[in-house]
Amino acid sequence: AQRVTQPEKLLSVFKGAPVELKCNYSYSGSPELFWYVQYSRQRLQLLLRHISRESIKGFTADLNKGETSFHLKKPFAQEEDSAMYYCALKTNTGTASKLTFGTGTRLQVTL
Amino acid sequence: EAEVAQSPRYKITEKSQAVAFWCDPISGHATLYWYRQILGQGPELLVQFQDESVVDDSQLPKDRFSAERLKGVDSTLKIQPAELGDSAMYLCASSLFRGGFYGYTFGSGTRLTVV
Repeated sequence: AQRVTQPEKLLSVFKGAPVELKCNYSYSGSPELFWYVQYSRQRLQLLLRHISRESIKGFTADLNKGETSFHLKKPFAQEEDSAMYYCALKTNTGTASKLTFGTGTRLQVTL
Repeated sequence: EAEVAQSPRYKITEKSQAVAFWCDPISGHATLYWYRQILGQGPELLVQFQDESVVDDSQLPKDRFSAERLKGVDSTLKIQPAELGDSAMYLCASSLFRGGFYGYTFGSGTRLTVV
């Protein structure tokens, strides 16, 4: 069965410091991974997807199949980055697709 | 920007009562999902629809939960009877076929408190 692990419940960093939110997955098939973010009082929204290899709001994430990881990184944290971050693994079976989420990491950026 | 609509935003109900949540997905999104998010955990899939058909309800507690999407558009999730452990955020999401390129779009959720 698929599983997503986010080992840190809370990550607190100073403004301007680098950020790395860890995500490891377990899946026997070809993984498709996402990062979702939830800002205070807002809905869960897509931040980035590994297949796009894009940088959104300065965040990047590289899929490492050898280490089964998809860590989220940003070189310089900003106050507005404070939010809840969820790593998610999408699996497809027949006509269905399913997102399996990790437990989330709260990023707190302080001055 | 198109949104997934959910109502109500908050619901407080007594144990053993019935409760229902409503979701209207983004127009054109054939796939609709109901997720449950217990405090401190990530969202967990309860049920998935492709148009009006259920394609995955393996995690739905069918003795008390039911879901329908009669015309393949909006959907209702019902709990009867509610139990204290059902207190959680219930999230609806929609997507193009099999998640599409843009992944899922989530609604704001319904926060259920069972007392």
